[in-house]
Amino acid sequence: SQTIHQWPATLVQPVGSPLSLECTVEGTSNPNLYWYRQAAGRGLQLLFYSVGIGQISSEVPQNLSASRPQDRQFILSSKKLLLSDSGFYLCAWSVLAGPNQPQHFGDGTRLSIL
Amino acid sequence: QKEVEQDPGPLSVPEGAIVSLNCTYSNSAFQYFMWYRQYSRKGPELLMYTYSSGNKEDGRFTAQVDKSSKYISLFIRDSQPSDSATYLCAMRRAGGTSYGKLTFGQGTILTVHP
Repeated sequence: SQTIHQWPATLVQPVGSPLSLECTVEGTSNPNLYWYRQAAGRGLQLLFYSVGIGQISSEVPQNLSASRPQDRQFILSSKKLLLSDSGFYLCAWSVLAGPNQPQHFGDGTRLSIL
Repeated sequence: QKEVEQDPGPLSVPEGAIVSLNCTYSNSAFQYFMWYRQYSRKGPELLMYTYSSGNKEDGRFTAQVDKSSKYISLFIRDSQPSDSATYLCAMRRAGGTSYGKLTFGQGTILTVHP
């Protein structure tokens, strides 16, 4: 069966520090990968998606970037964090073959910026 | 106007009650509809996945889609305290780019008390 791992679960960072969040998927090949941010009391906002190694599309302009160095690894980064980057970050995957597949989520990273 | 509207609640019901959760949407191109359950400090878990109009049942859960009214519902029968969570509706268009962008409601907080 497929599993998705995100780490760390919780992170507290000072303003202006760098960020690296990692997500890996097991049990499937060539998945679509996604990064979302969820603000308190709000739905999920898609930040980035990837259909293959090195292929990244951004949904919203922001202080963050994403990379996919391996087929089942997706990384969310920032060079200098802002207070507004606080939130709950979720990684998700879906089957690549066929566009109409549901997405499955990891358990997220709760990021607090001080 | 948001593309997807969902009453944030909170909704509090006694154990054994029938729960009705709803979302309305404005984009008639949405064809695939999902319900996710999200426990506190966890990622969303896919509950139901339906295509176009009609009903789908899975155990105590029934998903209903009315495309003519742009309205979807999730019914939970014989609700249990373990059903206490935030419920998110999500939807996407058919076809188009393969990444399958989802549009989420903001989530309804449900509490089932013993």
